[in-house]
Amino acid sequence: DGGITQSPKYLFRKEGQNVTLSCEQNLNHDAMYWYRQDPGQGLRLIYYSQIVNDFQKGDIAEGYSVSREKKESFPLTVTSAQKNPTAFYLCASSAGRSYEQYFGPGTRLTVT
Amino acid sequence: AQSVTQLDSQVPVFEEAPVELRCNYSSSVSVYLFWYVQYPNQGLQLLLKYLSGSTLVKSINGFEAEFNKSQTSFHLRKPSVHISDTAEYFCAVNIPSSASKIIFGSGTRLSIRP
Repeated sequence: DGGITQSPKYLFRKEGQNVTLSCEQNLNHDAMYWYRQDPGQGLRLIYYSQIVNDFQKGDIAEGYSVSREKKESFPLTVTSAQKNPTAFYLCASSAGRSYEQYFGPGTRLTVT
Repeated sequence: AQSVTQLDSQVPVFEEAPVELRCNYSSSVSVYLFWYVQYPNQGLQLLLKYLSGSTLVKSINGFEAEFNKSQTSFHLRKPSVHISDTAEYFCAVNIPSSASKIIFGSGTRLSIRP
């Protein structure tokens, strides 16, 4: 089955530690995205990538980093510089910028 | 730049009642429009989309949305809701073949009462 996988589903970390969230897709999509979702709020774009080895900052990139070494993978690192990292993180992919996005199941990160 | 507004943050309705979730967008050019649904602790799923052609689009589970260019709206409707429709619904807009990104509304939480 084609789709997007995110792991793990739940992640707990201590303050001051970097943590990497995994996102893999087998849809052969060129574009991939990372969003953050907080309770009662919509989606906020963190980073996106239109092609391998290239990515752009979204609206809230501070404290986050990404890489796109393979078409299928777009990991997100939440660094210790992110002041409020506890949130639900969603990865998505699309065939192109104008097309609908397909979402993974999300990773809920809790930092204490 | 385009934007999208979902006018209601929460919509409570009784089971088997009709529902309308409102979505208005702002854009000076033609747009693509989407509705996504998010069940608790899950990712978003595409519910339906308008790209071109017929202004009335339908999903497989009874929802429909109508693109109204003059009112810049894309309201989502269902004539009779079920408990399983309880979820958060997001409207989204994008401009075809542009350098812009899909913009999501802030979401409408639909709660169904038995």
